[in-house]
Amino acid sequence: AQSVAQPEDQVNVAEGNPLTVKCTYSVSGNPYLFWYVQYPNRGLQFLLKYITGDNLVKGSYGFEAEFNKSQTSFHLKKPSALVSDSALYFCAVRDIDQGGKLIFGQGTELSVKP
Amino acid sequence: EPEVTQTPSHQVTQMGQEVILRCVPISNHLYFYWYRQILGQKVEFLVSFYNNEISEKSEIFDDQFSVERPDGSNFTLKIRSTKLEDSAMYFCASSVTRSTDTQYFGPGTRLTVL
Repeated sequence: AQSVAQPEDQVNVAEGNPLTVKCTYSVSGNPYLFWYVQYPNRGLQFLLKYITGDNLVKGSYGFEAEFNKSQTSFHLKKPSALVSDSALYFCAVRDIDQGGKLIFGQGTELSVKP
Repeated sequence: EPEVTQTPSHQVTQMGQEVILRCVPISNHLYFYWYRQILGQKVEFLVSFYNNEISEKSEIFDDQFSVERPDGSNFTLKIRSTKLEDSAMYFCASSVTRSTDTQYFGPGTRLTVL
């Protein structure tokens, strides 16, 4: 069965510092991996995805993620955090065997302090 | 930019009542999904829908739940007899395919069952 894990419930970063939000995955075939962000009382906004190709994927708002097959990880990164990046971040894997549902991690609360 | 819309944004109902949550997916998308997020928890898959039939459903999606695409644009989730534990944020999502394409999410409907 497909699954993702986000080992940190919360990540605290000072504004201007680099940030990393961790995600590991377990899949039976090729991994189709996604990151979404959720601001308070809002829906899920797509940030980026890895399907194939370059291991470093660039996405919205200056975020990027590194796919590492040997470590089965897909960590989200940003070189310089902004206070406005504070939100809940979800890693997800697409289960393409049937209907293509997304399987989400438990989420990581990112807090960026000035 | 096309987006998924959902109505209402907030629904309050009494236990045992029927509710219908409505979604308008992105117009050229073919795969439709419902997810829910209980407060403070991760996003959980409920059901996927393609070609006017359910392609996959989770164990949460029992006989009290149903989905329908009554016309060419709307996609609805019905809960026949709501329970207290149905209180959650319900998200609709859509995508072109069930594999590599991004799933785009609506803003959600917050369902409160009293």
